[in-house]
Amino acid sequence: GESVGLHLPTLSVQEGDNSIINCAYSNSASDYFIWYKQESGKGPQFIIDIRSNMDKRQGQRVTVLLNKTVKHLSLQIAATQPGDSAVYFCAEISYNTDKLIFGTGTRLQVFP
Amino acid sequence: DSGVTQTPKHLITATGQRVTLRCSPRSGDLSVYWYQQSLDQGLQFLIQYYNGEERAKGNILERFSAQQFPDLHSELNLSSLELGDSALYFCASNLGANSPLHFGNGTRLTVT
Repeated sequence: GESVGLHLPTLSVQEGDNSIINCAYSNSASDYFIWYKQESGKGPQFIIDIRSNMDKRQGQRVTVLLNKTVKHLSLQIAATQPGDSAVYFCAEISYNTDKLIFGTGTRLQVFP
Repeated sequence: DSGVTQTPKHLITATGQRVTLRCSPRSGDLSVYWYQQSLDQGLQFLIQYYNGEERAKGNILERFSAQQFPDLHSELNLSSLELGDSALYFCASNLGANSPLHFGNGTRLTVT
């Protein structure tokens, strides 16, 4: 079935280091991808998105990379801060389903 | 604040009962989505409505139903509740196709 999976359930990084969260997706028809951040007790918060006609997009301290050849998505967080500690989800939409499908999530822990 | 409002925040009920969860989308958004999130799990897509009509369906049980009203708010009805239905239920909204979803803070349902 359709799936968007994350390989690492927990990622621990030191404050100030860069973080990279990876995601693999299985639906080659997917053409819109979104990264969300979820803090405890809250709903997922939009971070950044990318469309399939791009391979890189930058935001404030975050960069999303898309490799359609291997169906891989990554989120890079520069100068990781304690406030970045959360669970990060990648999600995909394909035009033919109009459904946003989430991966299982990666927990990012930032230590001093 | 995402602009999406969900009520109630918490709900505790017994097996076999029926509950209704309510969602008010962001002003101007026409689509409403419902997701279920079990403990330490990803978000499972349940159903989507667009401007009052069902647009897409995910892994929604037959005991569950939803609707979107003319004022665009939505309700998710869960009946014949089982212990396994205990989860966080999130509502999200967006303007339309290929725009990011914005999530509410969820309703935590506990079935005892």
